[in-house]
Amino acid sequence: GAVVSQHPSWVICKSGTSVKIECRSLDFQATTMFWYRQFPKQSLMLMATSNEGSKATYEQGVEKDKFLINHASLTLSTLTVTSAHPEDSSFYICSARLVGYQNSPLHFGNGTRLTVT
Amino acid sequence: QQQVKQSPQSLIVQKGGISIINCAYENTAFDYFPWYQQFPGKGPALLIAIRPDVSEKKEGRFTISFNKSAKQFSLHIMDSQPGDSATYFCAASKPNSGYALNFGKGTSLLVTP
Repeated sequence: GAVVSQHPSWVICKSGTSVKIECRSLDFQATTMFWYRQFPKQSLMLMATSNEGSKATYEQGVEKDKFLINHASLTLSTLTVTSAHPEDSSFYICSARLVGYQNSPLHFGNGTRLTVT
Repeated sequence: QQQVKQSPQSLIVQKGGISIINCAYENTAFDYFPWYQQFPGKGPALLIAIRPDVSEKKEGRFTISFNKSAKQFSLHIMDSQPGDSATYFCAASKPNSGYALNFGKGTSLLVTP
């Protein structure tokens, strides 16, 4: 089945530093990847839609300059949390969909637990 | 704004019982309704999904019932097992948003032995 890999699975960083999270589709090509954020015991909130070769589309309220998204290839999207602050601590999850199948199932990575101290 | 409303927030079911989770939506543009299962510290995993042209879909112990006129859909877990204890999310998506998923708030299911 379709596998989405996220790295790292957890990261601790100091306030003011930047952290990069990678999302890879391992056995399929993904034109579109989605980045979600999840607080403890809460739902997944869509942050942005990442399109290969073009700029990401951010949801209302999500700071583009703080959450930099790059989707340079059909198998890799990255989310960089810049100048991280403790309130950025959260569970970040990416998801990907098979190229050419807009309505196909969305596969999720196992998430990255970010803790900013 | 929560586009998909999910209930109950938590559910306790005895082993062998039926777990029922309900979701409702307003936007008639939604045309894809999946259910995801999430264990602590893991990403959500797709369980089963349905489109509005059918009223029911069954896969093993999991069944989705869909009521288009009421704009409601539900997940039934038959013969619930302790291993089913997890958080369940319903979701909905529509074409003009790239089929990004809008999630419900989740239901924490505990199946007791």
